[in-house]
Amino acid sequence: EVQLVESGGGLVQPGRSLRLSCAASGFTFDDYAMHWVRQAPGKGLEWVSGISWNSGNIGYADSVKGRFTLSRDNAKNSLYLEMNSLKPEDTALYYCAKVGTIAAAGTTLYPFDIWGQGTMVTVSS
Amino acid sequence: DIQMTQSPSSLSASVGDRVTISCRASQGISNYLAWYQQKPGEVPKFLIYGSSTLQSGVPSRFSGSGSGTDFTLTISSLQPEDVATYYCQKYNSAPLTFGGGTKVEIK
Repeated sequence: EVQLVESGGGLVQPGRSLRLSCAASGFTFDDYAMHWVRQAPGKGLEWVSGISWNSGNIGYADSVKGRFTLSRDNAKNSLYLEMNSLKPEDTALYYCAKVGTIAAAGTTLYPFDIWGQGTMVTVSS
Repeated sequence: DIQMTQSPSSLSASVGDRVTISCRASQGISNYLAWYQQKPGEVPKFLIYGSSTLQSGVPSRFSGSGSGTDFTLTISSLQPEDVATYYCQKYNSAPLTFGGGTKVEIK
């Protein structure tokens, strides 16, 4: 069974850091680009960041650029999101998502066929 | 950046009704458009890609159309299990922006 399990969320003060992890199983992790999407309470979906299978192509939303860093460890079937200088507006449920297509090139530009259950990040003093 | 605008933001329809949701891109995105369904308290589910291709396992009452800037998600006969919020997403280029969502309820 294809599965994505996020962890690392919690309550953090503004300005502090947090590292989210996503553990993948049930598929060949290093064949696929991966993404993070967040959803603030009662709000819509917001794309955060995406990474190609070989980490050669990484993109960020303007709202997190310069503060968040996306990485992956294909040997550990894991995706990571390092979040620094956190703001109250970063409060959201963070989903890890897998693209639905194996990319021959190092692109991240595919829709997401599998989503994890999410990990909640709350930024508050 | 390209903006994605969905309309309406919410709708209420009867079981068996035909439901249409619109998604408009601020610039042309060819057919690089996906649709997702998010039921209350659940994870988003992948419905459609390439504007009109149904993901495996999605009921045939769902269909998508459009190209360029204007796209439509249609539910041909609304069922109680279709109560959800629907999101479009562009994926022609980063950022992979989502629309604001359309909440579908049963009248």
